[in-house]
Amino acid sequence: DAGVTQSPTHLIKTRGQQVTLRCSPKSGHDTVSWYQQALGQGPQFIFQYYEEEERQRGNFPDRFSGHQFPNYSSELNVNALLLGDSALYLCASSRDQGTYNSPLHFGNGTRLTVT
Amino acid sequence: AQKITQTQPGMFVQEKEAVTLDCTYDTSDQSYGLFWYKQPSSGEMIFLIYQGSYDEQNATEGRYSLNFQKARKSANLVISASQLGDSAMYFCAMSPKGAGKSTFGDGTTLTVKP
Repeated sequence: DAGVTQSPTHLIKTRGQQVTLRCSPKSGHDTVSWYQQALGQGPQFIFQYYEEEERQRGNFPDRFSGHQFPNYSSELNVNALLLGDSALYLCASSRDQGTYNSPLHFGNGTRLTVT
Repeated sequence: AQKITQTQPGMFVQEKEAVTLDCTYDTSDQSYGLFWYKQPSSGEMIFLIYQGSYDEQNATEGRYSLNFQKARKSANLVISASQLGDSAMYFCAMSPKGAGKSTFGDGTTLTVKP
C-alpha cells in the first residue's frame, strides 16, 4: 500500500522563478493538504483540497496556488519566488474529507531552495 | 484562532526511561482533535497518536500515551521505555471539527542517550 509520494525531493530555483510541486495521496484518501515548514519550526498550513476544490486556505499570498486532479493527486504552484519561500514543503493526505479525527499522512517533502 | 504551545525546545532522556513532552493548546471550539507527530531527521512526519476532545479516556498506542487534561487545555505525550530510534522532533497539533486545517506547535527535539 503506497503512502504519500512527493516529487521532486529537492529543488533549487532562482528568485522570481516559478515552481510546481507534486503529490500523490495515500490510497483511499480523498483530501490533500499542503504545509510549509521553515527550518526549526512547525508546519504552516497553506491550503487544503477536496473534490478538486480549494476548501480552506491559510495565511499565504496568492502567489501560492494549487490544484487537485480527479485521481486526488495534487500540485502546489508558487510564482515569483522569494528567498523566504525556501523551506520544506509537505503534502499530507487524509480521508473522510479531512475531518478533525482523521490523522494526516505525510510525504517525505520537497526541499525548495531559492537563491 | 487556534494555537499550540510546546515549551520544551529540546529534551534529553536516558534509554529505557520514560519521558513527557508538553503541549498546551488554545481554542474556542468545543469539538476538536489533538495529534502527535514524529519527524526524524529524514523529514517525513509520522502520525503517533490521536485524542478527541470528547474522549474520556486517555489515548494509548503501544509505548505512546497521551495525558489529556481538558480543563487545563494540555495534551502531553508520554513515551515509555525510550529507544535510540525515538530521537527525533515531536510536534503537537490540533484540528477543529469540520475543517481539515491542522495547527502545529514549533516542536520538541528529543534526544535519547544510550
